[in-house]
Amino acid sequence: AQSVTQLGSHVSVSEGALVLLRCNYSSSVPPYLFWYVQYPNQGLQLLLKYTTGATLVKGINGFEAEFKKSETSFHLTKPSAHMSDAAEYFCAVSESGNQFYFGTGTSLTVIP
Amino acid sequence: DGGITQSPKYLFRKEGQNVTLSCEQNLNHDAMYWYRQDPGQGLRLIYYSQIVNDFQKGDIAEGYSVSREKKESFPLTVTSAQKNPTAFYLCASSIQGRNNQPQHFGDGTRLSIL
Repeated sequence: AQSVTQLGSHVSVSEGALVLLRCNYSSSVPPYLFWYVQYPNQGLQLLLKYTTGATLVKGINGFEAEFKKSETSFHLTKPSAHMSDAAEYFCAVSESGNQFYFGTGTSLTVIP
Repeated sequence: DGGITQSPKYLFRKEGQNVTLSCEQNLNHDAMYWYRQDPGQGLRLIYYSQIVNDFQKGDIAEGYSVSREKKESFPLTVTSAQKNPTAFYLCASSIQGRNNQPQHFGDGTRLSIL
């Protein structure tokens, strides 16, 4: 089975600063990778996904992530944090059979 | 607009009571899932269904039951055997057999014990 590790359960950044949320996965085959965002008392919303092709993936709200096979990583970045980015972020990996494996989440705080 | 509807948004359970959480989707997805979310633990899979009239246990199925009589509906029953039911429950769906496609989520049901 896959496993997904999100380093840092809580991350704080100043408004306008770089956002970097880390995700590492374990996989013996090329994975499909996803980042989701969750606002309080809501479901998860897809930010971006990597399936095949270009390793730098752009998503909604100015977020992007880079798939690095050699590092088994899929870190999420945004050049300039906005107050509205404060939320919980989840990295996920899928494998055959429609099974998804989620990380434990990273709570992002944006300091004005 | 297509999507997933979970109801109710908030639910309270009395001791010894079974409660049912509703999940309906109009995305024409074959696969549906139930997750439990607790603070700091991410999402844990309770049950999933890949086709009508068939479902499989996830990692934490004990104390829960499901049915899949219609493609659009995947209700979850939290039974009295689930001793710690307080959590946020999320329903999701996806295109069957296409694991490069994301799961789509409802807005969740928050269950608490009275």
